[in-house]
Amino acid sequence: KAGVTQTPRYLIKTRGQQVTLSCSPISGHRSVSWYQQTPGQGLQFLFEYFSETQRNKGNFPGRFSGRQFSNSRSEMNVSTLELGDSALYLCASSFGWTASNYGYTFGSGTRLTVV
Amino acid sequence: SQQGEEDPQALSIQEGENATMNCSYKTSINNLQWYRQNSGRGLVHLILIRSNEREKHSGRLRVTLDTSKKSSSLLITASRAADTASYFCATDEAGGTSYGKLTFGQGTILTVHP
Repeated sequence: KAGVTQTPRYLIKTRGQQVTLSCSPISGHRSVSWYQQTPGQGLQFLFEYFSETQRNKGNFPGRFSGRQFSNSRSEMNVSTLELGDSALYLCASSFGWTASNYGYTFGSGTRLTVV
Repeated sequence: SQQGEEDPQALSIQEGENATMNCSYKTSINNLQWYRQNSGRGLVHLILIRSNEREKHSGRLRVTLDTSKKSSSLLITASRAADTASYFCATDEAGGTSYGKLTFGQGTILTVHP
């Protein structure tokens, strides 16, 4: 079965612009989480959606937002891009209300570079 | 913020040797998971150990968990060059509000020389 698909794979944006990243979870997975990975801060949790509802949010400014559609696909948006937003953005999906039994399946990520 | 520390930060070994990585965390957990990441790509789930388990095996992987010390270790036996990657521990924190959230360590970079 298909894995978690993230698009685009690479993205270059200019400071001040906005960007939308997309994530298609594994079929049947209803939970989608987003993470930001940078060399300095490591892997940090952005937010999680389950059945179109945001259940959890990390400690990021309001410029970072997301949503989930009825087919479980998710998008995250970053407005007014800053140089520090350059990172690998990872999406992960899991089956069920929690991932306590199976863990998460991650996509290959979107590498965002802000210039 | 990171949940805890991973030790060592980098590990270099020869093929066939065993590799041990340690992870410490700070809060009560539901489970602890280990992931592998190759060259800045996506994370691959390796193994999950629940808070009421002390040891778990999967192929060449052995994970231990000591909740009294808030620590875990990952042992990879008979390492191969293909095991070269970064390894992360991640905790699913207890408390009922951690939906979808894993808290990651800083990772251990493992290099296995042929």
